[in-house]
Amino acid sequence: GAGVSQSPRYKVAKRGQDVALRCDPISGHVSLFWYQQALGQGPEFLTYFQNEAQLDKSGLPSDRFFAERPEGSVSTLKIQRTQQEDSAVYLCASSLAGKERQQYFGPGTRLTVT
Amino acid sequence: SQQGEEDPQALSIQEGENATMNCSYKTSINNLQWYRQNSGRGLVHLILIRSNEREKHSGRLRVTLDTSKKSSSLLITASRAADTASYFCATDGSTFIFGSGTRLSVKP
Repeated sequence: GAGVSQSPRYKVAKRGQDVALRCDPISGHVSLFWYQQALGQGPEFLTYFQNEAQLDKSGLPSDRFFAERPEGSVSTLKIQRTQQEDSAVYLCASSLAGKERQQYFGPGTRLTVT
Repeated sequence: SQQGEEDPQALSIQEGENATMNCSYKTSINNLQWYRQNSGRGLVHLILIRSNEREKHSGRLRVTLDTSKKSSSLLITASRAADTASYFCATDGSTFIFGSGTRLSVKP
């Protein structure tokens, strides 16, 4: 079956612009995660949904970052007024249920803020 | 940083040799997972070990977990050039935390 997909794969934004990154999880997966990965580093947790409920947003670096999953399926990560330090790969992952289960990752969206 | 620590940061070996990488973490956990990431791609799950397990095997992979030391190790036996990738441990404490990764290079 289809894996996790993310779009766009690459995004270049000018500083100050707003961006929206989309994640389509595996059908039937209850949990959805967003991560930020800087070059040469491990993924850093941003936020976690169980169905449409955002259970943990402790990793969001500032109030410019906002994530939603209104129908418990597709999720969007929005970054307002982008800054250069937001440049990174944004990874989405889904799992059957909960943080304790194996996560399936999408290919990521590489965001470059100029 | 929220990340755990892995060592070595980089490891270069010849095909056929074994590769061992270590992970330390800070909080209590339910499980620890290992993932692989090939350059420019998403992460792929390798193995999950529960907090009440001490050792687990999957093919050429062997994972150990020592909760008293808050550490884990991943052993890849009889390495292949295709094993070249970055390897990350991940723990599910209060939140989900990835280590900083070990970059493994296996030379043919």
